[in-house]
Amino acid sequence: NAGVTQTPKFRVLKTGQSMTLLCAQDMNHEYMYWYRQDPGMGLRLIHYSVGEGTTAKGEVPDGYNVSRLKKQNFLLGLESAAPSQTSVYFCASSKGLAGVNEQFFGPGTRLTVL
Amino acid sequence: DQQVKQNSPSLSVQEGRISILNCDYTNSMFDYFLWYKKYPAEGPTFLISISSIKDKNEDGRFTVFLNKSAKHLSLHIVPSQPGDSAVYFCAANNNAGNNRKLIWGLGTSLAVNP
Repeated sequence: NAGVTQTPKFRVLKTGQSMTLLCAQDMNHEYMYWYRQDPGMGLRLIHYSVGEGTTAKGEVPDGYNVSRLKKQNFLLGLESAAPSQTSVYFCASSKGLAGVNEQFFGPGTRLTVL
Repeated sequence: DQQVKQNSPSLSVQEGRISILNCDYTNSMFDYFLWYKKYPAEGPTFLISISSIKDKNEDGRFTVFLNKSAKHLSLHIVPSQPGDSAVYFCAANNNAGNNRKLIWGLGTSLAVNP
């Protein structure tokens, strides 16, 4: 039982490049989330999904796209990376709504955009 | 504007003593509060939660107190152990309308000294 895994753990991009971050969970959770954490700011929700085939915008969705083609996977895409997207990205999952259900987090992906 | 404030960026206590981490919030619509702990290079892990209809919740060494009139909650760790050294995040669930989401504080870094 691996919980929530994220791939890759580290990545350096040049401005304008694209990439996809992969999140996988083996707990059969319906809800999945992508957050970013920046110095001096709390965790901010980028996008989330309430089930396979669904996605919704969070607080800071601009510049990102997501897909949930399979229940266990939640992909975060950056089509044209910008230095402002340098951050640590966390994926999380929960069996129900995040506010009243425990979220399980992955170890994070540290992304640097030059 | 920070709706969830953890005004102490850091806290240092001796092993065996009590650690008290504080969190203030501004939105009276918050109906559920959660504490997460985060070690370096790992994702946050759930610690304890409390509903707004309660004023105390206890789980082993961890107790969360909620003072709704003051819009204040605190996490008590007794006795503190070196393994408790981590960053602690307070998060609040916004139950307003259909826009349920979790609002995170900036975290308090706790150091428990042997």
